[in-house]
Amino acid sequence: DGGITQSPKYLFRKEGQNVTLSCEQNLNHDAMYWYRQDPGQGLRLIYYSQIVNDFQKGDIAEGYSVSREKKESFPLTVTSAQKNPTAFYLCASSPGQGSQETQYFGPGTRLLVL
Amino acid sequence: GENVEQHPSTLSVQEGDSAVIKCTYSDSASNYFPWYKQELGKRPQLIIDIRSNVGEKKDQRIAVTLNKTAKHFSLHITETQPEDSAVYFCAARETGTASKLTFGTGTRLQVTL
Repeated sequence: DGGITQSPKYLFRKEGQNVTLSCEQNLNHDAMYWYRQDPGQGLRLIYYSQIVNDFQKGDIAEGYSVSREKKESFPLTVTSAQKNPTAFYLCASSPGQGSQETQYFGPGTRLLVL
Repeated sequence: GENVEQHPSTLSVQEGDSAVIKCTYSDSASNYFPWYKQELGKRPQLIIDIRSNVGEKKDQRIAVTLNKTAKHFSLHITETQPEDSAVYFCAARETGTASKLTFGTGTRLQVTL
């Protein structure tokens, strides 16, 4: 999991502002994921991508957008439509091939609203 | 879609005792069940996983059991140590969507001296 990086570690968003969280991996993994974690709750899937130039909505996609232009990168944009964005955001990746389902997580980005 | 329930939400044990965390899942076709440990402010780390063709798997003080008929799986930690204190998450892999995991809500384990 040391091959997955997220930046920044902390991010502050003003009302009505879009912000983008970065996720990069050098593990040559096909699949990448974005999760949101709220205090006392589990990980909820926002978006996932199984291959470059393709992605699917997860369980809580409203107010978020993603792109997957490169295999190594899967940035997440938190739009102004997301009314309660304060949370810990975790990116993960997995080989995405056959039985190699193990997901490895990045260190996370904590998003706070000013 | 898949639904995973996890119990208990908090668990306190004395050092040296055993801890058991239980999860149930709804999709009988789910075939992969990982467990993650997350320390405060850190990323989740995979500690053990099991596939549906196996009933039990052990790695030193950690073991996972799977009952496909009842659709539940459990994490067992023996001889607990203070460094085992963390939040533990179970997950189940949905069929038909490569590697998509559904997570339980977590168990906060506290190991007291």
